[in-house]
Amino acid sequence: DGGITQSPKYLFRKEGQNVTLSCEQNLNHDAMYWYRQDPGQGLRLIYYSQIVNDFQKGDIAEGYSVSREKKESFPLTVTSAQKNPTAFYLCASSVTGSLNIQYFGAGTRLSVL
Amino acid sequence: QQQVKQSPQSLIVQKGGISIINCAYENTAFDYFPWYQQFPGKGPALLIAIRPDVSEKKEGRFTISFNKSAKQFSLHIMDSQPGDSATYFCAQHKQGAQKLVFGQGTRLTINP
Repeated sequence: DGGITQSPKYLFRKEGQNVTLSCEQNLNHDAMYWYRQDPGQGLRLIYYSQIVNDFQKGDIAEGYSVSREKKESFPLTVTSAQKNPTAFYLCASSVTGSLNIQYFGAGTRLSVL
Repeated sequence: QQQVKQSPQSLIVQKGGISIINCAYENTAFDYFPWYQQFPGKGPALLIAIRPDVSEKKEGRFTISFNKSAKQFSLHIMDSQPGDSATYFCAQHKQGAQKLVFGQGTRLTINP
């Protein structure tokens, strides 16, 4: 089945710890995205990548880092600099082109211990 | 930062009724307006989308109405069903950009 796989489904972070969220897609999409979802605030863009080895900051990139070494993979690291990391994190992918139809994974819920 | 203002934040509709969610945008340089549906604990999924050169698009019970002069677009769900209970997001795509701007979301509850 083609799609986007996020893991783990639930993740817990201790104070001062970095954690990495996985996102893998087999849709052969060039572009990938990370969003943060908080209640009442919609989807806020953290980082996005249009091509391997290149990525751009979104609206709330502080305290996060990404890499794009393979077309299929776009991991997100929540660093200790992110003081309020508790949220639902969503990964998406799309083809590049005139429209931007994004397909989403099932999300990772991150909580702080 | 471009914004899409979505309203209402939450909506309760009786089964069989019409659900209406509105979005207003600030910039006219957008070429695509999708709506996403999200069930609890899941990622959003594309529901229906419209280009600004079209005033209305219908897919089954779901209709998007687009008012370019008012810079508004709306989602209408006819004959609303309990299975439609979800959070709905409008979004806009800026011409030439490789990202979407999302509204804040509307939590829709359909009472049986």
